[in-house]
Amino acid sequence: AQKVTQAQTEISVVEKEDVTLDCVYETRDTTYYLFWYKQPPSGELVFLIRRNSFDEQNEISGRYSWNFQKSTSSFNFTITASQVVDSAVYFCALSEGNSGNEKLTFGTGTRLTIIP
Amino acid sequence: EPEVTQTPSHQVTQMGQEVILRCVPISNHLYFYWYRQILGQKVEFLVSFYNNEISEKSEIFDDQFSVERPDGSNFTLKIRSTKLEDSAMYFCASTRDSYSNQPQHFGDGTRLSIL
Repeated sequence: AQKVTQAQTEISVVEKEDVTLDCVYETRDTTYYLFWYKQPPSGELVFLIRRNSFDEQNEISGRYSWNFQKSTSSFNFTITASQVVDSAVYFCALSEGNSGNEKLTFGTGTRLTIIP
Repeated sequence: EPEVTQTPSHQVTQMGQEVILRCVPISNHLYFYWYRQILGQKVEFLVSFYNNEISEKSEIFDDQFSVERPDGSNFTLKIRSTKLEDSAMYFCASTRDSYSNQPQHFGDGTRLSIL
């Protein structure tokens, strides 16, 4: 069965600090997809990134970067030079199978607070 | 950019009443989903729908729940006889297909409050 663990329940950092959100996943499938979503205080779910299990290249998008390591079943998310607008709950999610259309299994989320 | 739209944004219902949550997925999408999030908890999968039938459902999705795509644009979630524990945020999502490399796009959610 698939499972996503986000061990950090809450993190607070001072603005401009870097912060890494951890995500560890479990799956028996060899093909799967990993995701990060942001949930700001307004409540909607904002898609940030999707990676498939065959692509272990790290990705950078502006201040955001993701480190995918199959050897440790981790897909960590780093925000560089954090800003107050980054304050939100961040969810890591897993989708098994090669279609990319299977259900998402979410972690419990990490509440990130950026202190001005 | 096309969006998934959900109505209403907030629904208040008496326990035992039926409620229908509505979603309009992105127009060329083929796969549809409902998820729920109890306040302060994680997002949980309820059901997926493709080609006019349920493709997968979770343990949460019992006989009290049903989904329908009545007219080719709307995708609804019905709860027949609501319970207090059904109070949650309900998210609709859609995606096109595996070839378009698209993630699931989520609506802004409907907050359901059962009194």
